[in-house]
Amino acid sequence: RKEVEQDPGPFNVPEGATVAFNCTYSNSASQSFFWYRQDCRKEPKLLMSVYSSGNEDGRFTAQLNRASQYISLLIRDSKLSDSATYLCAVRRNGNQFYFGTGTSLTVIP
Amino acid sequence: DVKVTQSSRYLVKRTGEKVFLECVQDMDHENMFWYRQDPGLGLRLIYFSYDVKMKEKGDIPEGYSVSREKKERFSLILESASTNQTSMYLCASLPLAGDTDTQYFGPGTRLTVL
Repeated sequence: RKEVEQDPGPFNVPEGATVAFNCTYSNSASQSFFWYRQDCRKEPKLLMSVYSSGNEDGRFTAQLNRASQYISLLIRDSKLSDSATYLCAVRRNGNQFYFGTGTSLTVIP
Repeated sequence: DVKVTQSSRYLVKRTGEKVFLECVQDMDHENMFWYRQDPGLGLRLIYFSYDVKMKEKGDIPEGYSVSREKKERFSLILESASTNQTSMYLCASLPLAGDTDTQYFGPGTRLTVL
């Protein structure tokens, strides 16, 4: 079983829509959780960390459900510039990171 | 801002050549990582290093070696490049700090082996 699993999509949504991605992780010892954004042919860049109580950054909301072992990312009022691949990552045992394969989002005018 | 740089953005090599990929970070991070990223397979860890001259194998170390002689520099070596090593190679660094810290990636090297 993979450490981290994501629906690869693609998600094609109109501008202004709300879209949500989920990511499941298999190891309950996972300690920290993150969402990255990756543009085509570029490196992943940290979008936001995911805290136990959930956190928000503008139009982006991240949540963690430890009982069900998943994290989610909600994007409200989608912009064309949100088109990218979104990777989830989990960290455990200090410096071990596990990444999902990414979910592709295209926001359509 | 953390800055991680990689020596080349694009590289074309021939089968059997020895290939060096260099990564430098300027934030005095203890941990450095090399990944390759392929469509449908995501990021796969090749090697990581938690200190100078220290290294640990990741999930797919076969065909690769690494060198970390200085804290800021982590090199990935393909001893004899093969076509199945054509990929995007990403270097990352991570401070030795709390669990809320995450990795920062370099811009990547897109390697093609002919």
